[in-house]
Amino acid sequence: QQPVQSPQAVILREGEDAVINCSSSKALYSVHWYRQKHGEAPVFLMILLKGGEQKGHDKISASFNEKKQQSSLYLTASQLSYSGTYFCGTEEGTNAGGTSYGKLTFGQGTILTVHP
Amino acid sequence: KAGVTQTPRYLIKTRGQQVTLSCSPISGHRSVSWYQQTPGQGLQFLFEYFSETQRNKGNFPGRFSGRQFSNSRSEMNVSTLELGDSALYLCASSLRRNYEQYFGPGTRLTVT
Repeated sequence: QQPVQSPQAVILREGEDAVINCSSSKALYSVHWYRQKHGEAPVFLMILLKGGEQKGHDKISASFNEKKQQSSLYLTASQLSYSGTYFCGTEEGTNAGGTSYGKLTFGQGTILTVHP
Repeated sequence: KAGVTQTPRYLIKTRGQQVTLSCSPISGHRSVSWYQQTPGQGLQFLFEYFSETQRNKGNFPGRFSGRQFSNSRSEMNVSTLELGDSALYLCASSLRRNYEQYFGPGTRLTVT
C-alpha cells in the first residue's frame, strides 16, 4: 500500500525551513527518502530503520515514529539546490528478512520549490 | 567509481513487441531493483534481485520479467508491449539489501 506524503507541494524562499511528512497504514521496517530533480534520477537522502538506526547526509535530518508509522524529513535553511520532488519509500514488515524486505513502496512525491 | 548505467537510454517500440532493458550496477553492489515511473502512477517497484535470485516482485503482470547475472548485471524484459507500458524504467543498485540505493539515469520507453 502506497504511503501518503504531505504536503503535495511547498514553495519556499531561500533560508526558510520545510517539513515533509510520510505516513503509512502498514507496520514499517524502514523509511527511505530520495530527491529527484526534473529529468534526473532520484538521489538518496536518508534511510531510517526500525530500532533507531539512521544513515544519511549531514545537512538532512529526519525522524521515524515506529508506533505511528510516520516519518518526517526536515529541510532547514533551504537553498536553491533543494528544489525538486521528494519521495519517501517505505518497506513493510517488522523485522529484517520479512516477506517485504527489499521492496520499496514510494509515496506520490512532494514538489519543493525554493525561490531566491 | 562509475555510477549505475542503463542501456538503451531511449527506446521506441510498437504494441505487441517485446523489449529488453539492461542495467549495470556500481562495482561491488549486489542488489539491483527495478522501478517504473509514470506521471500518473509515480514510482512503482517492479523487482529486486540479490545474488542472482529474485527476492521480491511488485504488482505487475507476468509480461514483466527480469534476471540477474553472476556479475550482478541485470536485465528486465517486457513481452507483448501495451501502450500503458510507456514509462521511464529506473534501475537502482545497492551494496546490500535494504540499503541506500543509487539510481541509474533510466530508460525511456515509448510504445506506439
